[in-house]
Amino acid sequence: EDQVTQSPEALRLQEGESSSLNCSYTVSGLRGLFWYRQDPGKGPEFLFTLYSAGEEKEKERLKATLTKKESFLHITAPKPEDSATYLCAVNTNAGKSTFGDGTTLTVKP
Amino acid sequence: GAGVSQSPRYKVAKRGQDVALRCDPISGHVSLFWYQQALGQGPEFLTYFQNEAQLDKSGLPSDRFFAERPEGSVSTLKIQRTQQEDSAVYLCASSLGGGNTGELFFGEGSRLTVL
Repeated sequence: EDQVTQSPEALRLQEGESSSLNCSYTVSGLRGLFWYRQDPGKGPEFLFTLYSAGEEKEKERLKATLTKKESFLHITAPKPEDSATYLCAVNTNAGKSTFGDGTTLTVKP
Repeated sequence: GAGVSQSPRYKVAKRGQDVALRCDPISGHVSLFWYQQALGQGPEFLTYFQNEAQLDKSGLPSDRFFAERPEGSVSTLKIQRTQQEDSAVYLCASSLGGGNTGELFFGEGSRLTVL
């Protein structure tokens, strides 16, 4: 069974304090690893798709990386508006994505 | 509309009642997905449609749950004889092509509370 574990569950940072979120996965045949951002009361918002080990994607202050067992979401010099829950998901067949429980990030000004 | 629209946004049901949750995907999107999200947890897959065909319903928790997309656009998730453990946010997502490339567009969800 596909498993996705995210750590830490919660992360509190000062504005400008860079850090990383971890997503560990166990799957049989990865067809893609995805990062989403979810604000309270909203649906997840797509950020990145990574397909193979060594791949990296960047968007503003966020950079996602992928190895054969885990993915990291690096946040550089975060701002309060980066506060949200970040979800990781893996896809092993045409339809179903398996999500982790997320990391809730709080960035204090 | 520009995004995925779900209704109702909030639904309170008495245990044993039937409920129907509606999803209007982005126009032209081929694939449609339903997920269930409990408080503090990630979304859990329920079912997946490609056009009007339901290709995967392996995540539906029981035969009380039923989903349809008869014309390949709007979808309805129906829950019969609701129970307290059905309380959750039900998320609908769509994507342009067939299958799941990860770039899913989610609605804001329908929050179901069963008393």
